[in-house]
Amino acid sequence: DTGVSQDPRHKITKRGQNVTFRCDPISEHNRLYWYRQTLGQGPEFLTYFQNEAQLEKSRLLSDRFSAERPKGSFSTLEIQRTEQGDSAMYLCASGGKVYEQYFGPGTRLTVT
Amino acid sequence: AQKVTQAQTEISVVEKEDVTLDCVYETRDTTYYLFWYKQPPSGELVFLIRRNSFDEQNEISGRYSWNFQKSTSSFNFTITASQVVDSAVYFCALSEYTNAGKSTFGDGTTLTVKP
Repeated sequence: DTGVSQDPRHKITKRGQNVTFRCDPISEHNRLYWYRQTLGQGPEFLTYFQNEAQLEKSRLLSDRFSAERPKGSFSTLEIQRTEQGDSAMYLCASGGKVYEQYFGPGTRLTVT
Repeated sequence: AQKVTQAQTEISVVEKEDVTLDCVYETRDTTYYLFWYKQPPSGELVFLIRRNSFDEQNEISGRYSWNFQKSTSSFNFTITASQVVDSAVYFCALSEYTNAGKSTFGDGTTLTVKP
């Protein structure tokens, strides 16, 4: 299967802990996006990579959030000092031709 | 700023009925792309279609069809002869050429198809 994969699929953490999520995009895609989705809402853009360069970050991404894409392959999204408001589904998308995006299954984060 | 509005929060139909999902968008760019995604109960967003702002030709794919009208800034999605497997949340999204593919999504329409 050459689709987008995300790990872990579910994460439960206590408030104040750090968490890290991983996304493996489709191998031939050089664009990678992170989105956050809460119940009843559409995905909200967080950040975007072209190869290893992070080209844009949303104002939603506070300084507790950081994303990397070393070597332009997989990407990681880290949230430090988690808060209950961070509970959401975190989606990764791989960028195909002409801005088509192919989404992974997501990582559901629950902060208790 | 770009914005996508899906005014229909929930739609319920009986199998074999036709159903249209509405999408209205706002953008200042002259070059942009519109998308529809399906999110079934399993949760994974599935890409359905992309349209370019310079191509208003309507498209049909099996039971699915899309009507793009720049004059009304709308990109509506019709499912003909709906089936229970069509039950899902459907999202419309917009990407501006100057924004490098960053998509703005609507809040989705939950479609329930009853047998």
